[in-house]
Amino acid sequence: DAGVTQSPTHLIKTRGQQVTLRCSPKSGHDTVSWYQQALGQGPQFIFQYYEEEERQRGNFPDRFSGHQFPNYSSELNVNALLLGDSALYLCASSGYHEQFFGPGTRLTVL
Amino acid sequence: AQSVTQLDSQVPVFEEAPVELRCNYSSSVSVYLFWYVQYPNQGLQLLLKYLSGSTLVESINGFEAEFNKSQTSFHLRKPSVHISDTAEYFCAVSDPRSNDYKLSFGAGTTVTVRA
Repeated sequence: DAGVTQSPTHLIKTRGQQVTLRCSPKSGHDTVSWYQQALGQGPQFIFQYYEEEERQRGNFPDRFSGHQFPNYSSELNVNALLLGDSALYLCASSGYHEQFFGPGTRLTVL
Repeated sequence: AQSVTQLDSQVPVFEEAPVELRCNYSSSVSVYLFWYVQYPNQGLQLLLKYLSGSTLVESINGFEAEFNKSQTSFHLRKPSVHISDTAEYFCAVSDPRSNDYKLSFGAGTTVTVRA
């Protein structure tokens, strides 16, 4: 049983560019959440997708958007990248009162 | 709203010594509590969780945590650490009333085990 997978593993972008990160949830899970983990900090909730709709959103600007596909996989899009967007982006899928995390995508903005 | 405070940012410890990582939470309602571990350059792995029932929960690799409602704490302990326990540890809470399982994390505690 494959766990949560994310791609790519690493990504380097420049300020002002746009980026798309991808996530496939654990088999049987239909809910995907995205978190941003800046260096030296705990993960911060960005948003969650369920039934292809954004169900809840954390305190992140509209530059952060997402999408969920019929197969429950998800994308995180960030527009107009800022240096402060450099972080580890974690995807999690939800099981019984628990979230299962992927390995993350390390985004570096230069 | 819920929040988590991890009282120690870094904990150095010698191999085979005990370790305690402190976690306090703030919430006006009951909570679910979790400890996650993050090894270098990896994602988060669930270490243990408290949902209900016995206030003492244990993991398969020797960690345990005790839910203390009166002190709003969920401290993590291990009686004897190994070099392989070197990692970042995160305490997190979620709202049992919610169906989204959204987690609020503390800032993390870095545990460094030395021989």
